[in-house]
Amino acid sequence: GQNIDQPTEMTATEGAIVQINCTYQTSGFNGLFWYQQHAGEAPTFLSYNVLDGLEEKGRFSSFLSRSKGYSYLLLKELQMKDSASYLCAVSDSNYQLIWGAGTKLIIKP
Amino acid sequence: IAGITQAPTSQILAAGRRMTLRCTQDMRHNAMYWYRQDLGLGLRLIHYSNTAGTTGKGEVPDGYSVSRANTDDFPLTLASAVPSQTSVYFCASSRTSGGNNEQFFGPGTRLTVL
Repeated sequence: GQNIDQPTEMTATEGAIVQINCTYQTSGFNGLFWYQQHAGEAPTFLSYNVLDGLEEKGRFSSFLSRSKGYSYLLLKELQMKDSASYLCAVSDSNYQLIWGAGTKLIIKP
Repeated sequence: IAGITQAPTSQILAAGRRMTLRCTQDMRHNAMYWYRQDLGLGLRLIHYSNTAGTTGKGEVPDGYSVSRANTDDFPLTLASAVPSQTSVYFCASSRTSGGNNEQFFGPGTRLTVL
């Protein structure tokens, strides 16, 4: 079967760095997405990785290792507005997105 | 319209009733999707459409139907609602159905079936 695993909840301090991990087992791989979802709102796109390595975009970076079926999202200089759920999704062999349940990130002052 | 819209925002529905959730996008995207989101579970694909005139079944299609008469609109119909269909429904679109195309989401419809 297809499976995406990520921690249910994480807590971090304002100004710090946090890493949210995602492991996956899917039928085929056509890229991995990270989305941010604030409570009561729609998911919004953060990043896309299809090749191994690190993609940096401002305070957010995303890493992919295809051989390990592993990705992480790194958030630096945390701000209170970063409190949200972070969703990992893999594009499978049919180009359909398989979604993890999301990691709720709580930022404390 | 800017982006992707959904209607209604929320709805309480009696079991057995028929309901259509509306979704419209103005980005001229070819691909559109319907997901449901339940607490503790990831987004689950109900139906999708890679281009106007075509539709396909996702992971959880039972009890739902869709149509794609034109590029902009992708309505989702519950023929006879049941309580297990209580969920938040998101419509999304992407430029194409290829692997590197980010999906843009509508604001969601919160549906309660009693």
